[in-house]
Amino acid sequence: NAGVTQTPKFQVLKTGQSMTLQCAQDMNHEYMSWYRQDPGMGLRLIHYSVGAGITDQGEVPNGYNVSRSTTEDFPLRLLSAAPSQTSVYFCASSYSVNRANTGELFFGEGSRLTVL
Amino acid sequence: AQSVTQLGSHVSVSEGALVLLRCNYSSSVPPYLFWYVQYPNQGLQLLLKYTTGATLVKGINGFEAEFKKSETSFHLTKPSAHMSDAAEYFCAVSDPGSGGGADGLTFGKGTHLIIQP
Repeated sequence: NAGVTQTPKFQVLKTGQSMTLQCAQDMNHEYMSWYRQDPGMGLRLIHYSVGAGITDQGEVPNGYNVSRSTTEDFPLRLLSAAPSQTSVYFCASSYSVNRANTGELFFGEGSRLTVL
Repeated sequence: AQSVTQLGSHVSVSEGALVLLRCNYSSSVPPYLFWYVQYPNQGLQLLLKYTTGATLVKGINGFEAEFKKSETSFHLTKPSAHMSDAAEYFCAVSDPGSGGGADGLTFGKGTHLIIQP
């Protein structure tokens, strides 16, 4: 079972460049989200989606865009990369719109981004 | 707003010794509680969760946690540590009434578990 697939696993960008981190899930999950993980900061929510065509901001949305045209895909776009966006990014999905009722997020393996 | 505090960013135990990772939370309503584990270069996976019912919950790989409402705690334990337990552990709390909002699930900052041979 593929689960949640993220690409690329590693990426190096120069300041000002743009790129898209891809996320796809094959579990027909309604809920999808993007987190960034930084040392000593835990996981911080960037954007999330409760279904196709619906997205919302999390704790740290600035500098990132998302869209949800299909149930399966939830790409994260960096508009103009900055060194502060150097991080490990995780996509996660859940089989319930109401995360609180289930609590189980399924995570991808992460995308390590370095911005020079 | 809810918050999660994990005491100790790093915990070191000897192989075979008791593992105790501490988690305290603040929430205005009885929460749902979770422990996730992250092995090196991997995503997080659910270890165990408490929603309702029995306050002692068992998870994968011999881990268990007890919800203590009076202490607002959800500490993770394992009787005997194994080298393969070396990982990052995250406690998380969810407000059952949040309806999937952005603050519905709050993670602690994580505890790195080191197993000494």
